[in-house]
Amino acid sequence: QITLKESGPALVKPTQTLTVTCSFSGFSLNATGMGVGWIRQPPGKALEWLAVIYWDDDKSYSPSVSSRVTITKDTSRHQVVLTMTDMGPVDSGTYFCAHHTALTTDYIDVWGKGTTVTVSS
Amino acid sequence: SYELTQPTSVSVSPGQTASITCSGHKLGDNYVCWYQQKPGQAPVLVLFQDKKRPSGIPERFSGSNSGNTATLSISGIQAVDEADYYCQAWVSDTVVFGGGTKLTVL
Repeated sequence: QITLKESGPALVKPTQTLTVTCSFSGFSLNATGMGVGWIRQPPGKALEWLAVIYWDDDKSYSPSVSSRVTITKDTSRHQVVLTMTDMGPVDSGTYFCAHHTALTTDYIDVWGKGTTVTVSS
Repeated sequence: SYELTQPTSVSVSPGQTASITCSGHKLGDNYVCWYQQKPGQAPVLVLFQDKKRPSGIPERFSGSNSGNTATLSISGIQAVDEADYYCQAWVSDTVVFGGGTKLTVL
């Protein structure tokens, strides 16, 4: 059974860098076709995809945040980390990590419960 | 940038069929996924590759995708189906989500 759990600060000050960690189990990020991505959701608004990293270290970023976001993996610790620089109030919301199955096609099939981040001074 | 457009809301009576559309330029050339999200919860995948159901998703959920429009259909609507539904596609190596549709069961 695949599970993912997000962790990180609940409060971040404007201009600071956010670091959120996804700890997962039930799969290896060394295995072909596996990926872990990040999606966020401002309060009351739609989902917004941020980034994904794959078993072969291939990465993809949303153009809207690509200059501010970095995604990395630590396969041995079963973790994926997202950093986002220059945080502002519009970046407040719930940050979800999710498992990608990318064999024949790529789809997001399991989500973590999310971690809430508020950007405020 | 590429956009997926969904109706803001859809209302349906119990037992009826709900259809939620997702529109985008040549969307039929890409696979679409659908997610269900209930208040305070994470999204759940209900359809992938346009019409395939993950394990545990009832047969009441079905999908299609052609031309510029993908459609999620839920037959025999139940109160438990009330939720927000999001479509999603891969376009130019990025994931795009629709704006979401609030499904209300009357």
